Amino acid sequence: DTEVTQTPKHLVMGMTNKKSLKCEQHMGHRAMYWYKQKAKKPPELMFVYSYEKLSINESVPSRFSPECPNSSLLNLHLHALQPEDSALYLCASSQGGTGGSGTQYFGPGTRLLVL
Amino acid sequence: GNSVTQMEGPVTLSEEAFLTINCTYTATGYPSLFWYVQYPGEGLQLLLKATKADDKGSNKGFEATYRKETTSFHLEKGSVQVSDSAVYFCALSGENRETGFQKLVFGTGTRLLVSP
Repeated sequence: DTEVTQTPKHLVMGMTNKKSLKCEQHMGHRAMYWYKQKAKKPPELMFVYSYEKLSINESVPSRFSPECPNSSLLNLHLHALQPEDSALYLCASSQGGTGGSGTQYFGPGTRLLVL
Repeated sequence: GNSVTQMEGPVTLSEEAFLTINCTYTATGYPSLFWYVQYPGEGLQLLLKATKADDKGSNKGFEATYRKETTSFHLEKGSVQVSDSAVYFCALSGENRETGFQKLVFGTGTRLLVSP
């Protein structure tokens, strides 16, 4: 099973709202990722968690706040977003560790619209 | 740094035509190479991968061979179907420079449109 699940599938929020995106995997992977994808573009890496610790923050604005409660779950907390933050948010996971091919498995994404 | 270059799209084909989507890369060391597919309104799905030179990845009739001498990983399919219409991303995973994970570098993506 190589499934990564994400909820919700769609989200509409105002600029003053607080919401959270959720991601879950049960493959025993120890690395998890958040990406942002705009239309007709490749995904852009936002955050990487390795063994439940934040390893990379790609200069993402503080209105995006990641959280990794345990090795299977990854959240992305959203607050005071801007309309330009509207995008598809993708979660991915990989085996982690110092070996392996680095194969990442992606979830279906959350399509976010900020009004 | 590492980079991936894909052919510009869209690629427009008739059903049962032969498909080639070119992908070349620049990388230090020995990266792993991937093709991901994204159907409309969906996330990315791993289509195939190759982890060392001369490896051939294959899945669902698609194939790609890791060519180190030409730094290429071209995607091919002998007979495309309408259901293959999607965006295809070539990507590489560099050597592990950080503890516990490897970053993916994506190409710009190539849109494939297959008509009946």
